[in-house]
Amino acid sequence: KQEVTQIPAALSVPEGENLVLNCSFTDSAIYNLQWFRQDPGKGLTSLLLIQSSQREQTSGRLNASLDKSSGRSTLYIAASQPGDSATYLCAHLKSYGQNFVFGPGTRLSVLP
Amino acid sequence: NAGVTQTPKFRVLKTGQSMTLLCAQDMNHEYMYWYRQDPGMGLRLIHYSVGEGTTAKGEVPDGYNVSRLKKQNFLLGLESAAPSQTSVYFCASSLDRIDTQYFGPGTRLTVL
Repeated sequence: KQEVTQIPAALSVPEGENLVLNCSFTDSAIYNLQWFRQDPGKGLTSLLLIQSSQREQTSGRLNASLDKSSGRSTLYIAASQPGDSATYLCAHLKSYGQNFVFGPGTRLSVLP
Repeated sequence: NAGVTQTPKFRVLKTGQSMTLLCAQDMNHEYMYWYRQDPGMGLRLIHYSVGEGTTAKGEVPDGYNVSRLKKQNFLLGLESAAPSQTSVYFCASSLDRIDTQYFGPGTRLTVL
């Protein structure tokens, strides 16, 4: 059974810091990878989708990279803001015929 | 566009009662999914559908049934609710299995 882990489980930083969230998989076979944001009591919102042929994706202050050889992905958030406070989840797709498997998430708090 | 909607938002059941959760999407997506989210467990796939009239089991299907009679709707049924089914249930949809998933706001279910 493939597993997805996210480190750290929780993170608290002062406003303005650059930060990195990590996602790793027990099986390094990767087809696609998604990063999501979840606000308390809400559903998930997709942030970035990295296709199998790509190594990274960028959206505004967010950059996600994918290293297939090590089975890891990182989400980089630049110049963090209090509005970035949320739980961030990654989801890993091993192959086309399978479904995304989600990690437990990293709960981020950005302090003003 | 409303995106993905779920009804109801909250529900309390007694053990043994039945209920149906409704998911609707207006994006003409082929794929629809039902997940449950429990503390520390991430999202786990219950059932999914690859098109109207088709359904398939996910990671944790026991105790649940689904139907997709219309392309825009995906129903999740609990025939005899158990306390272990206390959870937050999310519906999602996507154009293809490998594409970005769009999530509904969730249904918080408590089984006493």
